[in-house]
Amino acid sequence: DIQMTQSPSAMSASVGDRVTITCRASQGISNYLAWFQQKPGKVPKRLIYAASSLQSGVPSRFSGSGSGTEFTLTISSLQPEDFATYYCLQHNSYPRTFGQGTKLEIK
Amino acid sequence: QVQLVQSGAEVKKPGASVKVSCKASGYTFTSYGISWVRQAPGQGLEWMGWISAYNGNTNYAQKLQGRVTMTTDTSTSTAYMELRSLRSDDTAVYYCARDQEGIDYWGQGTLVTVSS
Repeated sequence: DIQMTQSPSAMSASVGDRVTITCRASQGISNYLAWFQQKPGKVPKRLIYAASSLQSGVPSRFSGSGSGTEFTLTISSLQPEDFATYYCLQHNSYPRTFGQGTKLEIK
Repeated sequence: QVQLVQSGAEVKKPGASVKVSCKASGYTFTSYGISWVRQAPGQGLEWMGWISAYNGNTNYAQKLQGRVTMTTDTSTSTAYMELRSLRSDDTAVYYCARDQEGIDYWGQGTLVTVSS
């Protein structure tokens, strides 16, 4: 099984900050990676697919990069509505595996 | 527009079974698979398995093998997930999600509570 190691598990930041979240795969997954945002009590929402493609309707301050085993999600300028938990998901093979999540809190 | 509408909340006793439904609309059901994902209270997302709506092929998470069965009814564009021998640590919100080369759309979630 492919393990997805996401870091950090939690972080605090301020509105306007640039934030980077990382996912590392235990083996190469090409670009078969997506990023999701989840707010408390809500359904996860896909932000990025194919490692770097922005989902329609998602603000351009979100971006993804990487290939193989190292991936990053970057928020260029944090907005109040971005405080949430973020997950990566690999879909290169079964079983699908999620990262452990990164809880982004207001500083 | 793509919609996945799940059945309502369930309360079950330990040892019982639960069957959650997920009715799809807004796309060709048999052109996509369905993954099931669960989230225990305060925890992360856990992938449970996948079923092809085209031919019924399945892939299950190893930890649930033998307790979970995923099926589809193409006549009603509905996917089902049955989990047996329920334990307290199966208490979670269960999501269905459209999955063909990755997950995009999600159902609204179904809370399953296992309690004596």
